[in-house]
Amino acid sequence: DGGITQSPKYLFRKEGQNVTLSCEQNLNHDAMYWYRQDPGQGLRLIYYSQIVNDFQKGDIAEGYSVSREKKESFPLTVTSAQKNPTAFYLCASSIRTGGGLQPQHFGDGTRLSIL
Amino acid sequence: SQQGEEDPQALSIQEGENATMNCSYKTSINNLQWYRQNSGRGLVHLILIRSNEREKHSGRLRVTLDTSKKSSSLLITASRAADTASYFCATDGSNDYKLSFGAGTTVTVRA
Repeated sequence: DGGITQSPKYLFRKEGQNVTLSCEQNLNHDAMYWYRQDPGQGLRLIYYSQIVNDFQKGDIAEGYSVSREKKESFPLTVTSAQKNPTAFYLCASSIRTGGGLQPQHFGDGTRLSIL
Repeated sequence: SQQGEEDPQALSIQEGENATMNCSYKTSINNLQWYRQNSGRGLVHLILIRSNEREKHSGRLRVTLDTSKKSSSLLITASRAADTASYFCATDGSNDYKLSFGAGTTVTVRA
């Protein structure tokens, strides 16, 4: 059954700590994305990757880092530099074609809170 | 910055009624997409409409696009309790690399 798996579902961060959110997909998609969602708001793009070993900053990349060593995996690290990390984090993937972005498939999110 | 803006912010309807929500955007697009999000879950893609299309249907969903007004609407007909969710429009703006999402319309369908 193809899809995107995000783990953990809930995560707590202590002050000064880096935490890593996992995102794995078995849809054979080239493109992967990380979004942040705050209560009552839309999604804001943190980082995206069009291909393995390449990624680009989105609109709110400060305080976050990513890697894309495998096609299936796109982990997000929330560093201690991110002063307001409490949010719902969503990972997505899509195929790459020209003529506009294709539908994105989303995981079920990780809810990050500060201890 | 958010390219798409949905209206209204919230909508409450009786089961069986139709629900209409609108999306406005600022720059030219290749396509516009609508997504649904149930509480505490990820987004689910509903429908994609290309900039050269004016209307598209999928089951009980009808989407229109007016590029001259830079606006789109999503109509859900004969609503059910299971349609209770937040609905988001997303546009790709002037590049092929990222979607911009609006803040969404929260729809509540009362039994």
